[in-house]
Parts: sequence; C-alpha cells; structure tokens
Amino acid sequence: GAGVSQSPRYKVAKRGQDVALRCDPISGHVSLFWYQQALGQGPEFLTYFQNEAQLDKSGLPSDRFFAERPEGSVSTLKIQRTQQEDSAVYLCASSLARFGNQPQHFGDGTRLSIL
Amino acid sequence: AQTVTQSQPEMSVQEAETVTLSCTYDTSESDYYLFWYKQPPSRQMILVIRQEAYKQQNATENRFSVNFQKAAKSFSLKISDSQLGDAAMYFCAYRSATLDSSYKLIFGSGTRLLVRP
Repeated sequence: GAGVSQSPRYKVAKRGQDVALRCDPISGHVSLFWYQQALGQGPEFLTYFQNEAQLDKSGLPSDRFFAERPEGSVSTLKIQRTQQEDSAVYLCASSLARFGNQPQHFGDGTRLSIL
Repeated sequence: AQTVTQSQPEMSVQEAETVTLSCTYDTSESDYYLFWYKQPPSRQMILVIRQEAYKQQNATENRFSVNFQKAAKSFSLKISDSQLGDAAMYFCAYRSATLDSSYKLIFGSGTRLLVRP
C-alpha cells in the first residue's frame, strides 16, 4: 500500500490478557517509530527501529511492553498482562531515512481498550 | 530534556477568517526541526508544515504559514482563509537534529480547532 498500515484498528481485551499490534510501514522506509496517545493528549514516544535494530526503547513504560521488527519491515508491539492504564491509541510511523528532516508518516493507529 | 507546550486547548475561527495557534518549546540544542501535525477524527497524523531551526525564513505551505522565533523558542501556526476541513486537533512537535539521537518526535498536548460556517 501507499501508506503506513496498522492492524487491528480496534482491539478490546480483558485486563491480564496479552495483545499484539501490527505495523506495516511504507515500503523502503528505514526508520519505524511507535507512539502511545492517551485520550486528549499528544502522542508519546515508545520505541524506535532502524531497519531491524531497536536503537531506542527509552519510552516503553514497563517490561510488559515489547516491540520487534525482525526483518526490518513489519513491526509488532506486544503488551503482556494488560492493565487498564494501557488503554490508548497506539500510533506507528515510518520515515525514509534516519538523517535529515525526513518527515514521519503515520498510520491510523490502533485503539486499545482494556476492560 | 526537550518539552513542547501548547497553551490553547481549543480555538474557534469563522470560515474564511485567519487563526493563529501558539506553540512554545524548550531545548538546549541549537539544531532541530519543528513540525505542525493535523489529526482529524480518523486519527491519522498528517504533516502540515515543517521548519528547520537553522533557517531564518518562515516556512509556508499554501494557506499555512509559521512564525518561527528561535530566540523566544516560539513556533506559531497561522491558517489563512480557514475552511471547514481544517477542523481537527493540531499538534506542535519537536525533533532533534543531533546525530546520536533517535529523531523521535516530542509532541505538545494539542489544540482543537473548531471552524464555524
């Protein structure tokens, strides 16, 4: 596709369940970012990949959050033992290159609701 | 650490009029980029305009322009001839240009723009 694709668009899970969110970046984009957006707030950085290497995971809120990008394209954000405070929109973005002012292109996000 | 502040939770403008959204930021870096993103209810963040800190000239994209005041660390967005389709959340964002950074975006809390017909 032409843009960043995220699935599922909506995810409802019970507290304590594990969830997996998928991001398919724009073809050829080296950099991939995950952000968490709480209701009424701006997105907050979670983690960054350059190709398959996870170069920055400083924004992951706990060790329940895990992200991977094994082949340098599709990425998965996994949340284990979900809690109510994990409810948010999870946005994925990709950019062509790490350097310069390359813009980040965003997907439509996954809205995660923890009951 | 860098921070971005948007002090206007909501703004309203009459269709065809002009509105200015405010943004201030704090950083000790000299080289960076600033962005305005639009987020409609569909949730997708759409890049509106970007500014390189080393450029003194203010960026312009059709009806959208910025007033970049580096010394004051201010980066406001002006929307001229407002249209109904401009109604959305607008986020100001900062991105480091330092080579060893991850180039993550740091966002403000957003301003909701309402456009009155």
